[in-house]
Amino acid sequence: ETGVTQTPRHLVMGMTNKKSLKCEQHLGHNAMYWYKQSAKKPLELMFVYNFKEQTENNSVPSRFSPECPNSSHLFLHLHTLQPEDSALYLCASSHHIAPEQFFGPGTRLTVL
Amino acid sequence: KNEVEQSPQNLTAQEGEFITINCSYSVGISALHWLQQHPGGGIVSLFMLSSGKKKHGRLIATINIQEKHSSLHITASHPRDSAVYICAVSKGEGQGAQKLVFGQGTRLTINP
Repeated sequence: ETGVTQTPRHLVMGMTNKKSLKCEQHLGHNAMYWYKQSAKKPLELMFVYNFKEQTENNSVPSRFSPECPNSSHLFLHLHTLQPEDSALYLCASSHHIAPEQFFGPGTRLTVL
Repeated sequence: KNEVEQSPQNLTAQEGEFITINCSYSVGISALHWLQQHPGGGIVSLFMLSSGKKKHGRLIATINIQEKHSSLHITASHPRDSAVYICAVSKGEGQGAQKLVFGQGTRLTINP
């Protein structure tokens, strides 16, 4: 247990569906991150939030829409995804004065 | 060429062997991270270092800033050490959210 939780752990969706991934941390961290891990590729940073403000969008398609309502919660809203978006989506958090990141267990997403 | 390169990509060894995984990077960094990912996806931070050497149990991590190279060593390896080991570098400066760039990972299998 790292103190970062993600729900759901598994998600299967069609290309026309709309779904959301949720990440929650109660570690008192100020920064939260979304990462994508595709088969046979390194982890890729998608979005960074620092004190609820988005500070990084790593050229992510608009069909992925992040939301950070407070420092403890992070969402990734999904709509009209493509099969190539199937991957493991990982959330992480860190404190603003200690760059070690704590990762959630991930959501395994399959787009049909 | 990736900014972070790991070798080997796959490593199989017998229980008790001394293990070394290497990481080279080509960019300026504020810190280097070694992460462990078990089957199922969860990622755990093992080390974060910016100079010298750190030890935790049977794990040792070293970094040579001038050569832009780090190594992760496992002494007296055990089947439970079987996992993917990921090297990542922080490119952010000072405090605040850190942007991580990841290597492709080294899949380690320790046979009994």
